[in-house]
This record gives sequence, C-alpha cells and structure tokens, in this order.
Amino acid sequence: SQELEQSPQSLIVQEGKNLTINCTSSKTLYGLYWYKQKYGEGLIFLMMLQKGGEEKSHEKITAKLDEKKQQSSLHITASQPSHAGIYLCGADIKRPGSEKLVFGKGTKLTVNP
Amino acid sequence: DSGVTQTPKHLITATGQRVTLRCSPRSGDLSVYWYQQSLDQGLQFLIHYYNGEERAKGNILERFSAQQFPDLHSELNLSSLELGDSALYFCASSVYSGVSTDTQYFGPGTRLTVL
Repeated sequence: SQELEQSPQSLIVQEGKNLTINCTSSKTLYGLYWYKQKYGEGLIFLMMLQKGGEEKSHEKITAKLDEKKQQSSLHITASQPSHAGIYLCGADIKRPGSEKLVFGKGTKLTVNP
Repeated sequence: DSGVTQTPKHLITATGQRVTLRCSPRSGDLSVYWYQQSLDQGLQFLIHYYNGEERAKGNILERFSAQQFPDLHSELNLSSLELGDSALYFCASSVYSGVSTDTQYFGPGTRLTVL
C-alpha cells in the first residue's frame, strides 16, 4: 500500500479560487516536502516542513504539518494559471538503520482562466 | 534551468538490453540522487551518492546500479531491461550529504522506453 496518500488525485478550479491538497502518511513523519512538477519535467522544490504545527509560505502557497495526524496540507490562495501542474508530497520515513524517502502519487491541478 | 544536466533526454531500447543514463550535478554540489517516475509506481527514490560514496539506497532493483565519479558526475546503469522499466529517470543534486535535504535541484529527466 502507498505510504503517502495524496488527495485529491486531480483538481480543476477557476482562476482566483482557493484550493487545498492533502498528504497523509501511514508512518511517522520526520520531514515533509512539497514539490511542483510540470508534465514530463523535473520537480521544483517548494518547501520543507519538519516540526509539528510548522507552517511555511511561498508567494501564494502555504503548507502546514500536523504531526499528530501525520498529515500535511498545501493551500493555494487566489489560484492563477501559473499554479497549474502536478503537486507531489515527499516524506522522510526513517527506519532503524536507514532512511527512506517516499512520495505521494501527485495531485494534478488545472486552473481555468 | 536547475543547473543539473541529464543525458540522453530520450532513450528507446528493447527488452533485455542495457543502458546508461548520465547526470552532471550543479557546480559545487557533492550529492547526486536518482529517482524513477512511472505511472504505476509514481516517484521512487533509487539511490544517493555523496562525493563518490553510496549513502542511501531506496527501491533500486538488483539489475540497476549506479556510481559517482571523481568529477562528481553520476551514471545509472540499467540492465536486463523489462517493459516495466519504462519510466522517467530523474537525477537531483544538492550541496548536502543527507538523504533528506532542504533543497534538491532536479534535472530534466531521461525518458526511457523499453519495447
């Protein structure tokens, strides 16, 4: 089963609307990353969250980490067509003696003008 | 442009063959990470090298191997290719030595198609 579940799988919004993407882990989170990917291209790092309750913002994108729920949310305010793409969450899930980096399957965001 | 280069951009080959993917990190970055992205599995971390040494292994198959050379470029070798190996292969680089890093810069990827 997927260690990181993202929801929704896809999202279509009208320009100017707010939206939220969620990422839930089945394991304890030690670091949570958000990335954006244009189709067929490399990933662009957005932000990293490490502590429970931590919240970071980058332009109109805000991400929060809820350590207790093992969940992170990515919120986009007043969406623009430039926000369109695939948003991926990644997490550091440590196990004794090793570190493991896992990723969600992504949320495809379409922003209609 | 992230500063990470990958060659080739596209590769089409047949089952059973062997291919080599190449990655040049950003200037000054000592870490190289390899990832595989497919429709079925999503993005998966394969392996991490730091200054020539293997640091962490993810879901890398035994048929796959990698190395990082003294000039810090890295190669990912995929052998006995199967249809399921068709995917986008990304490399990323970072100045940091850990698996979990604040900033990894991703290359544009190599799209591998196995026929």
